[in-house]
Amino acid sequence: GENVEQHPSTLSVQEGDSAVIKCTYSDSASNYFPWYKQELGKGPQLIIDIRSNVGEKKDQRIAVTLNKTAKHFSLHITETQPEDSAVYFCAARYSSASKIIFGSGTRLSIRP
Amino acid sequence: GAGVSQSPSNKVTEKGKDVELRCDPISGHTALYWYRQSLGQGLEFLIYFQGNSAPDKSGLPSDRFSAERTGGSVSTLTIQRTQQEDSAVYLCASSPNGRTVGAEQYFGPGTRLTVT
Repeated sequence: GENVEQHPSTLSVQEGDSAVIKCTYSDSASNYFPWYKQELGKGPQLIIDIRSNVGEKKDQRIAVTLNKTAKHFSLHITETQPEDSAVYFCAARYSSASKIIFGSGTRLSIRP
Repeated sequence: GAGVSQSPSNKVTEKGKDVELRCDPISGHTALYWYRQSLGQGLEFLIYFQGNSAPDKSGLPSDRFSAERTGGSVSTLTIQRTQQEDSAVYLCASSPNGRTVGAEQYFGPGTRLTVT
């Protein structure tokens, strides 16, 4: 069945440094890969997404890369700030289904 | 504008009792999803509605779990004879169209269910 693995489970970086979170997916038919940020006590919020026909997408300090051959995708946050501290989830969706499969999450902490 | 709302925000119930969780999606969104998030874990898909029908209910963990949606809007998730392992945060999300690959899912704040 479909599966999304996410690493690391926790990540601590110095403010101003970059953070990278990696995910792999199992179903080669997956064609949509969103990333969500979840702050304490709130529901997840979409921060960036990428489709399978694109290798990289950037939005200000965040970027996502996709390697379809290797079936993995990554989130990159540059110039990290305290407000980036949260739990981040990657996810994958394949065209024949409407549900999204989520990774297990990465708790990102930004050290001042 | 109004986002996805869920009620109650917190629910404590005794083992064996039934509970109903409610989700009010964003107006006009045809797709609605229920997820379960256990402590420190990812989001586990439960069920997907397109309009009032549920084409994918493959994530419901047992026959104690059921959900319905009426008028293409409000949805309720019912858990019968609750067990301690049902304790989790139950999240609802809505989307403009569940059939569109890149359609964003907007999440509610969740209902924290504790079974004692």
